[in-house]
Amino acid sequence: KQEVTQIPAALSVPEGENLVLNCSFTDSAIYNLQWFRQDPGKGLTSLLLIQSSQREQTSGRLNASLDKSSGRSTLYIAASQPGDSATYLCAVSYNQGGKLIFGQGTELSVKP
Amino acid sequence: NAGVTQTPKFQVLKTGQSMTLQCAQDMNHNSMYWYRQDPGMGLRLIYYSASEGTTDKGEVPNGYNVSRLNKREFSLRLESAAPSQTSVYFCASSENRGFTEAFFGQGTRLTVV
Repeated sequence: KQEVTQIPAALSVPEGENLVLNCSFTDSAIYNLQWFRQDPGKGLTSLLLIQSSQREQTSGRLNASLDKSSGRSTLYIAASQPGDSATYLCAVSYNQGGKLIFGQGTELSVKP
Repeated sequence: NAGVTQTPKFQVLKTGQSMTLQCAQDMNHNSMYWYRQDPGMGLRLIYYSASEGTTDKGEVPNGYNVSRLNKREFSLRLESAAPSQTSVYFCASSENRGFTEAFFGQGTRLTVV
């Protein structure tokens, strides 16, 4: 069964710290992987999309890496800020335009 | 700059009542999806539509029906609501060619009492 796991489920860090969120998937034949942010009571905002042929993508203070062979992706957040507090979700797709399979998310809290 | 729009944002139903959740996207995407999000379960796919006129079941389709009215609109219908359908429902869309990202609506928070 194709599953996505995110560890840890929750993370609390002081402001300014660099941090890494982890995502693993059981079937490595992914088409692409997407990281989302979800604020409480809100929808999902796409952060980064990594194609299966890529190793990483960067947007501002965010860097996502992909290692298909080991079935892992990481989201690196540099110099964290209280505004980064949210739930971060990882999702994989196994075909073009296909449905997404989500992890359960990591709830991040950045303390001032 | 609307993206994906869902209506209503909140709804309370009594057990056995029916309702339709509406979703529209203005990005000319071919694929549209309905997910539900429950604590401890994450987001699970209910139904999806790869193109106008086609729909397919996802992971948790029981108790739901969908209609892809046109390229823009994809509705989700609960024929006889049950407390187990209390959830937050999200509509999403994406292109089905190339490596394109999925865009989500703001969600519909449904409570069935």
